[in-house]
Amino acid sequence: DQQVKQNSPSLSVQEGRISILNCDYTNSMFDYFLWYKKYPAEGPTFLISISSIKDKNEDGRFTVFLNKSAKHLSLHIVPSQPGDSAVYFCAASGGAGNMLTFGGGTRLMVKP
Amino acid sequence: ETGVTQTPRHLVMGMTNKKSLKCEQHLGHNAMYWYKQSAKKPLELMFVYNFKEQTENNSVPSRFSPECPNSSHLFLHLHTLQPEDSALYLCASSPGQGNQPQHFGDGTRLSIL
Repeated sequence: DQQVKQNSPSLSVQEGRISILNCDYTNSMFDYFLWYKKYPAEGPTFLISISSIKDKNEDGRFTVFLNKSAKHLSLHIVPSQPGDSAVYFCAASGGAGNMLTFGGGTRLMVKP
Repeated sequence: ETGVTQTPRHLVMGMTNKKSLKCEQHLGHNAMYWYKQSAKKPLELMFVYNFKEQTENNSVPSRFSPECPNSSHLFLHLHTLQPEDSALYLCASSPGQGNQPQHFGDGTRLSIL
């Protein structure tokens, strides 16, 4: 049973527009959420995170929103650039440890 | 990024072979992790080491044997693997306990013949 789900396997967006990637979780013990980006033949690269005490965190073009009541988080990229084309993973952890549970990923394609 | 280095990048081995995957981190972190990514599946946590001590074994078969001689190095010893063990094996490190991001290596692509 997947505790972190990314229901959209792929997303295509025009350059300059907003990309919105979504993630749902089921475990109410999760209190820390992260987004990673992965290019082919490379490992995942950390993008942005959010603690459950916040509902929004922003870093440049990237903003993560957390809706705890809906157990949903999203990553907004604006404006989208062709170099943003990659697979994006959301991840979550909870409790005292640092064990991450990953979603299945969403492939983002930004068209010039 | 050269903070976490994995070798080899690719490995092909038979089911009766014994091989080892190596991971080295240059970030001064105290926690290291092994993950497995199979085709069309999410990353799965395999093992966690904190300050060289194994703190998590996520029901991994004994044909996978981790070793952490110090906080900078992590090995995954492989023996008598099965074809379904073919996957991308990723190593990660983080400063330690608590809510902090993990930093990943580029992985070892393992193929079992």
